[in-house]
This record gives sequence, C-alpha cells and structure tokens, in this order.
Amino acid sequence: NAGVTQTPKFRVLKTGQSMTLLCAQDMNHEYMYWYRQDPGMGLRLIHYSVGEGTTAKGEVPDGYNVSRLKKQNFLLGLESAAPSQTSVYFCASSYFWDMETGELFFGEGSRLTVL
Amino acid sequence: GNSVTQMEGPVTLSEEAFLTINCTYTATGYPSLFWYVQYPGEGLQLLLKATKADDKGSNKGFEATYRKETTSFHLEKGSVQVSDSAVYFCALSVLNSGGYQKVTFGTGTKLQVIP
Repeated sequence: NAGVTQTPKFRVLKTGQSMTLLCAQDMNHEYMYWYRQDPGMGLRLIHYSVGEGTTAKGEVPDGYNVSRLKKQNFLLGLESAAPSQTSVYFCASSYFWDMETGELFFGEGSRLTVL
Repeated sequence: GNSVTQMEGPVTLSEEAFLTINCTYTATGYPSLFWYVQYPGEGLQLLLKATKADDKGSNKGFEATYRKETTSFHLEKGSVQVSDSAVYFCALSVLNSGGYQKVTFGTGTKLQVIP
C-alpha cells in the first residue's frame, strides 16, 4: 500500500543550488498537487496538475517549476533555491473531483532547508 | 476568495476531556468541508468530511456538523486520548470554474493530550 511517495524526505541546500522533488502515486489519480507547509500559515498550493502533460499555478508558484510527464509522477523543481523556500513540502493526489469524494491523499512530506 | 479560520492552538487537554476545535469558513458556491489530521512526522490524512448543509461527518469518535447558517464546521470529541495528539486542519473544497477541485486549508490547530 504505497499510496503517495515523496523523495527525498530531507534535503539541505545552499542558496542558488537546484534540486527536484519527486512525487509518485500508485492509485491512478488524475489530479496531483504540491503544497508547502509553513508555521502559522497552513498549507499553500504551489502548483497542481489535472492530468498527464498538464500543469497549472497555485497560490505561491514563484521560484518553482513542475512537470507531469507520466500520470503517476509529479516533479517539483527549484532552479535557484532561496532561504525563503525552507519549508516542508507535501505532495497530494486525488480522483476527479465530485461532490461525494474530494479527498486528498498526501505523501509523508519532504523537509527542505536552504542555507 | 475562499478562506478557512481555525482557533489558534496549541490546545492542551487531559485524557478523557471534551474537545472542541472551532472552524469557520468563507466560500463562494457550495463547498464540501473536511477535517484532516497530521500525526507527528506524517502527512495529512482525512479524518471526516461533510458535503452539504446539516450533514454530520464522523470517524474515530470525532464529529463535525456542516452548519451553513453559521458557516461553521467545528470538530468535537467526547473523550480524547493521548493518541489523538496531532495537528488538525479544517479545509473546504469547491469546484472551480476550470472544472477542478480547489482546496483551501486552515492554519491548523495543534492538540496535545496529557495523561
């Protein structure tokens, strides 16, 4: 029962370095999301995807890029990391939205520190 | 825009005490309402949900009723256990004009239950 898997779980970067977070889901979900979680601010949506080959901006997209080349994978990239991107990142996925579900399935999170 | 307001924590209770975590929302359209729980070191997981007014969601002894007149979805439990210690997030979901699910989270309320 893998569900949603994120790698890596922890990473420390220096300012200006780049990295990619990988999210993989095995539930055949259409929708995938990247959130960041910061103290006192809850979860904020960075980017999302409504299907293979599609991506769209969320609330806080600046400084991040994403790709969804395969339905099961959603990659989050930081081209030039900044200390303000220190956060815990969560990937989530869901079925097509309908009134009876709407549930998001989350990964365990990736803690990123930018020095 | 949509928003969710939760009571600030942390909330500290003794085992077997009664729990209430307040949640109010602002939304256009007809949102579905959720409570997610995040245990230490883990991702969020759905605790309960309600999709229309007057619905009551329940799970693991927790309950919340969708009150449209007061735009609230307060979480309650009659007798908390140490194992309930976690962060609780209230959230709403609406079908966006683009045909996808837009989820808005509250800032989370940390609950600590002491023996």
